[in-house]
Amino acid sequence: AQSVAQPEDQVNVAEGNPLTVKCTYSVSGNPYLFWYVQYPNRGLQFLLKYITGDNLVKGSYGFEAEFNKSQTSFHLKKPSALVSDSALYFCAVRDPNFNKFYFGSGTKLNVKP
Amino acid sequence: EAGVAQSPRYKIIEKRQSVAFWCNPISGHATLYWYQQILGQGPKLLIQFQNNGVVDDSQLPKDRFSAERLKGVDSTLKIQPAKLEDSAVYLCASRLEGQGGGFFGPGTRLTVL
Repeated sequence: AQSVAQPEDQVNVAEGNPLTVKCTYSVSGNPYLFWYVQYPNRGLQFLLKYITGDNLVKGSYGFEAEFNKSQTSFHLKKPSALVSDSALYFCAVRDPNFNKFYFGSGTKLNVKP
Repeated sequence: EAGVAQSPRYKIIEKRQSVAFWCNPISGHATLYWYQQILGQGPKLLIQFQNNGVVDDSQLPKDRFSAERLKGVDSTLKIQPAKLEDSAVYLCASRLEGQGGGFFGPGTRLTVL
């Protein structure tokens, strides 16, 4: 069965420090992996994706993510966190054979000044 | 480029009443998704359309939920009758063939009393 796991409900980091939000997946074949961000009362906004190619993917707002096939992970990272990065982050995987999206349960990122 | 539009943004109803949500995807996007996002959880796929055909509705509670996309553009999601546990945000997303990720609308927040 396809699944996505975000092991941390919440991540706290001080402004200016690096941040990591973890994601692991279980999917057959070659996955398409995504990160979305959700601000309060807003829809999901696309951050970045991995389809193929370089394992390090750069996305919006200075975020990047590293695809690690052996560890089946796709952790979201940012070298220097901003208070405005505080939001809910969702990892998602798409099964390329059926175009279905599976979302993780979300990780709340709190960046404190 | 206009994004995915949804209406209404908020809806409060009593249990056993009926409700309908509307989604207008990005122009030219053949794939349309409806998701249910319960507070504190990741979005759960309810139904996926490819043009006006249903690709996947395996997680749609068909005894009370229905959805249609008659002309392959706009879509409506209906709940009849609503239950307390249907309180959630209902997200619509669309995707262009060949694109990796989907674009999400702002969602409709449903409260069932």
